[in-house]
Amino acid sequence: GDSVTQMEGPVTLSEEAFLTINCTYTATGYPSLFWYVQYPGEGLQLLLKATKADDKGSNKGFEATYRKETTSFHLEKGSVQVSDSAVYFCALGSGNTPLVFGKGTRLSVIA
Amino acid sequence: DVKVTQSSRYLVKRTGEKVFLECVQDMDHENMFWYRQDPGLGLRLIYFSYDVKMKEKGDIPEGYSVSREKKERFSLILESASTNQTSMYLCASTLSRGGVANEKLFFGSGTQLSVL
Repeated sequence: GDSVTQMEGPVTLSEEAFLTINCTYTATGYPSLFWYVQYPGEGLQLLLKATKADDKGSNKGFEATYRKETTSFHLEKGSVQVSDSAVYFCALGSGNTPLVFGKGTRLSVIA
Repeated sequence: DVKVTQSSRYLVKRTGEKVFLECVQDMDHENMFWYRQDPGLGLRLIYFSYDVKMKEKGDIPEGYSVSREKKERFSLILESASTNQTSMYLCASTLSRGGVANEKLFFGSGTQLSVL
């Protein structure tokens, strides 16, 4: 079945560092891809999404590009802030089936 | 903005108790979901519902049941709680009946359940 693999954490960065969180997927069709973020004590919220190959999703300085040739959707941010500390989930959606989530990557940004 | 409300933030129950976790959304969403979140395992789907009185098993339905008598409310039931059901439970909803693949999921804040 469809699946998502994302890099294991935790990831610890200094403020203003560059962030990459890797995500690769396996799917039989043409899925939509998502990044969700979970701040401490909260539920998940959508960060960005892309619905077809070569689409780039972006929000709050984060970006991810849907790469069909490498089946990847890596999350990047040029300069992280302490407020970006959270757990990040890559997810895949296909047809009318519920989203499939990766295991999450915890990011800690230190001042 | 859409609000998904889970009835309790923290819950402590005894082994063998029947436990009800309630979830209510206020934006007339068709689809509702229950996930559990465990360290190292991410989010795993327990049950979901695409309509009132409709339910479908997710990846880990064993030990759980659900009820959706009204569109806005989706309840998760632990018939006889066990210690391995200690977890964070997250409810979510999306708007449309079909094509959930492109839909934004709205999550509640979660219920941290401890079974002693």
